[in-house]
Amino acid sequence: QQQVKQSPQSLIVQKGGIPIINCAYENTAFDYFPWYQQFPGKGPALLIAIRPDVSEKKEGRFTISFNKSAKQFSLHIMDSQPGDSATYFCAAAVGSGNTGKLIFGQGTTLQVKP
Amino acid sequence: NAGVTQTPKFQVLKTGQSMTLQCAQDMNHEYMSWYRQDPGMGLRLIHYSVGAGITDQGEVPNGYNVSRSTTEDFPLRLLSAAPSQTSVYFCASSYPSEGSTEAFFGQGTRLTVV
Repeated sequence: QQQVKQSPQSLIVQKGGIPIINCAYENTAFDYFPWYQQFPGKGPALLIAIRPDVSEKKEGRFTISFNKSAKQFSLHIMDSQPGDSATYFCAAAVGSGNTGKLIFGQGTTLQVKP
Repeated sequence: NAGVTQTPKFQVLKTGQSMTLQCAQDMNHEYMSWYRQDPGMGLRLIHYSVGAGITDQGEVPNGYNVSRSTTEDFPLRLLSAAPSQTSVYFCASSYPSEGSTEAFFGQGTRLTVV
């Protein structure tokens, strides 16, 4: 069973739009929630991460919103650009990820049209 | 800095053959992991290691073996390849830190089992 569920599977927006990707989890022991970005032919790279003691974190145009009671978190990309076209993965881990053991969502393929 | 290096980049195997996917990192990271990426499934953890001589199973360990004799290397062995093991394999490394841990991924190995 998938411990971290991600939606939608794919997303198309116009340049300047605000794509939103959602994730839900069941394991309340998770205490670290990163988002990874992957371009074709490359490995994933860390984009932004949040811990459950905060409800929102911003880094540049990327924002994570976290709802601990609902066990949900989401990624918002402000003023999206064609260069943001990539696959995005949410993930979760126990112990701040300090085991090398990440549980990933299914991924969302984002296309930003010029 | 090379980061995380995976070899080979591409491989075709016949059913029943065995092979080893190589992974090396030059960042002196304690933690290393192997994931497989399949369409619609995200990245799934195969095996991980928290240090030399210590390994543990992830979500999908069947059909794979690992060992960690040095900090730098974490090879993944396919014992008897099956078509279900056709996938893209990623190796990742990370280090323990307070608050959050970034995993650094290699470029991947695309494996086809015929």
